Amino acid sequence: DIQMTQSPASLSASLGETVTIECRASEDIYNGLAWYQQKPGKSPQLLIYNANSLHTGVPSRFSGSGSGTQYSLKINSLQSEDVASYFCQQYYNYRTFGGGTKLELK
Amino acid sequence: EVQLVESGGGLVQPGRSMKLSCAASGFTFSNYGMAWVRQAPTKGLEWVATISYDGSSTYYRDSVKGRFTISRDNAKSTLYLQMNSLRSEDTATYYCTRDYYYDGTYYPLGFAYWGQGTLVTVSS
Repeated sequence: DIQMTQSPASLSASLGETVTIECRASEDIYNGLAWYQQKPGKSPQLLIYNANSLHTGVPSRFSGSGSGTQYSLKINSLQSEDVASYFCQQYYNYRTFGGGTKLELK
Repeated sequence: EVQLVESGGGLVQPGRSMKLSCAASGFTFSNYGMAWVRQAPTKGLEWVATISYDGSSTYYRDSVKGRFTISRDNAKSTLYLQMNSLRSEDTATYYCTRDYYYDGTYYPLGFAYWGQGTLVTVSS
């Protein structure tokens, strides 16, 4: 099974700051990676698919990059509405989620 | 508008069974693989199972193999999850999600749509 290691587990940042969350796969997942945002009490929402494609309606301050086993999600100019938990997911071989990153405001 | 509406959750005793349903609308159900994802209280997301667009193939995480069965009725645009021999560690909110698109070619696009979730509590 492919394991997904996400870091950091928690993150505190200021409004307007740029934030980066990392995800490492235990083997090459050939860009079969998605990022999700989940706010408390709500269902997750897709942000990025295929490692770097922005899902419909997602603000352009979100971007994804990476290849092979290393991937990252970047949030430019952090907004208050971005406070949430973020999860990566591989779908190259079955499906596996990373452990999540809880993003808070400093 | 795409909608996924789960039902069937609740309190169940360890060792008993429960069946979840997910009614889909707003898209051509038979063109998509579908999946169940769960989230234990205060924990992360955990993929449970995926079923192919036509129901011919199913995939499960190891911890539910042999106990859970994912199925679908394309005529009713409905997804199911039959859960048997339930354990306390199965306690979670269960989400129905839309998986890959298929029209002769396989298009994995992440889980673009999610239901609101249904809570399953396994406790005596």
